[in-house]
Amino acid sequence: DADVTQTPRNRITKTGKRIMLECSQTKGHDRMYWYRQDPGLGLQLIYYSFDVKDINKGEISDGYSVSRQAQAKFSLSLESAIPNQTALYFCATSDLTRKGNTQYFGPGTRLTVL
Amino acid sequence: DQQVKQNSPSLSVQEGRISILNCDYTNSMFDYFLWYKKYPAEGPTFLISISSIKDKNEDGRFTVFLNKSAKHLSLHIVPSQPGDSAVYFCAASRITGNQFYFGTGTSLTVIP
Repeated sequence: DADVTQTPRNRITKTGKRIMLECSQTKGHDRMYWYRQDPGLGLQLIYYSFDVKDINKGEISDGYSVSRQAQAKFSLSLESAIPNQTALYFCATSDLTRKGNTQYFGPGTRLTVL
Repeated sequence: DQQVKQNSPSLSVQEGRISILNCDYTNSMFDYFLWYKKYPAEGPTFLISISSIKDKNEDGRFTVFLNKSAKHLSLHIVPSQPGDSAVYFCAASRITGNQFYFGTGTSLTVIP
């Protein structure tokens, strides 16, 4: 079984609709992240969380919100989707160790906003 | 402003030869660097990392070199295999930091 899972894997929606992307992990990591990837661009950080009570904005948080319902779950919401939010979205987890901070990614959600 | 840059969008190499992927960064506070590999329809997977106290780290066929004065790192794959064909991202952070900064990726094709 995958350590980091994302649902749905693909989603097509219309402008103005509310969308939620979900992420679950079984790695027991405290840190969770949401990224988006656009063609020709690297991964851009949307939000991150270090525990259930902790939410932090990343580079491109406008138009997004998140919820950390439990250590293992981190949801990303688009309150009113717009076409330029069409992208590949990745959830990641990490656990700071003596050797550093390595992230483990889910398989991604491909979102299309028409 | 892009703090981590991969200036080569693509690279083609013959099977058995060396692949060299390059990455530059601008923030001198970064002290931890990682390479990720990504296949289509999958998330990035961790490949190898290096902290700034080292200038080289090896793991099997993969070696990462860090040149702190030039703010440059490279990933060497020797020998290259067709299964290495993927997009490679470099990333940088503070070793105790909150955020990772990713490059735009280099698509490697290993030709059999």
